[in-house]
Amino acid sequence: DVKVTQSSRYLVKRTGEKVFLECVQDMDHENMFWYRQDPGLGLRLIYFSYDVKMKEKGDIPEGYSVSREKKERFSLILESASTNQTSMYLCASGPGTSGTDTQYFGPGTRLTVL
Amino acid sequence: QKEVEQNSGPLSVPEGAIASLNCTYSDRVSQSFFWYRQYSGKSPELIMSIYSNGDKEDGRFTAQLNKASQYVSLLIRDSQPSDSATYLCALDSGAGSYQLTFGKGTKLSVIP
Repeated sequence: DVKVTQSSRYLVKRTGEKVFLECVQDMDHENMFWYRQDPGLGLRLIYFSYDVKMKEKGDIPEGYSVSREKKERFSLILESASTNQTSMYLCASGPGTSGTDTQYFGPGTRLTVL
Repeated sequence: QKEVEQNSGPLSVPEGAIASLNCTYSDRVSQSFFWYRQYSGKSPELIMSIYSNGDKEDGRFTAQLNKASQYVSLLIRDSQPSDSATYLCALDSGAGSYQLTFGKGTKLSVIP
């Protein structure tokens, strides 16, 4: 089975703090993704990566950055957390096989910024 | 901008009935289609994928795809209270992209 893990299930931070969210997958997948999910807005793509050290902006990259130094690990960084970044953050990975595009999600991190 | 439309629900069905969930999309280039189930407070879980027109069955679940009419549906036979969740439709962004576009989901409630 595909396993995607995220470093924390719940996280509480203060405005202005730097926040690191870690994601690890154990299936040797090429592609990894970070989403946030908010009521009424659905899943929105923040950043994705299709290879080590490669990154692409998604639909809402502002206020976020990412790092992928190893194939299995994809980190999301909030440089200076703000209250409007309170959300559920979901990491996903996918094999990158042409024509299938399947994505498997981690358990999510519910981040609260006070 | 690719759009994926789902009725937000809630869709209520009695236990044992067939639940029918529908999804329409705007972009004809999509080739891969997925249904995810998301329980409240949990992350989405992949339950079905479909790539060709027609029906694909897996246990109590049947996915139906009609590319000409640009819709994909999910049927759940013999619905159980444990099927109560939000169901997300997703499809690829085409042109070799590995991104998926998600609908906002339909909330299903199975009444015992």
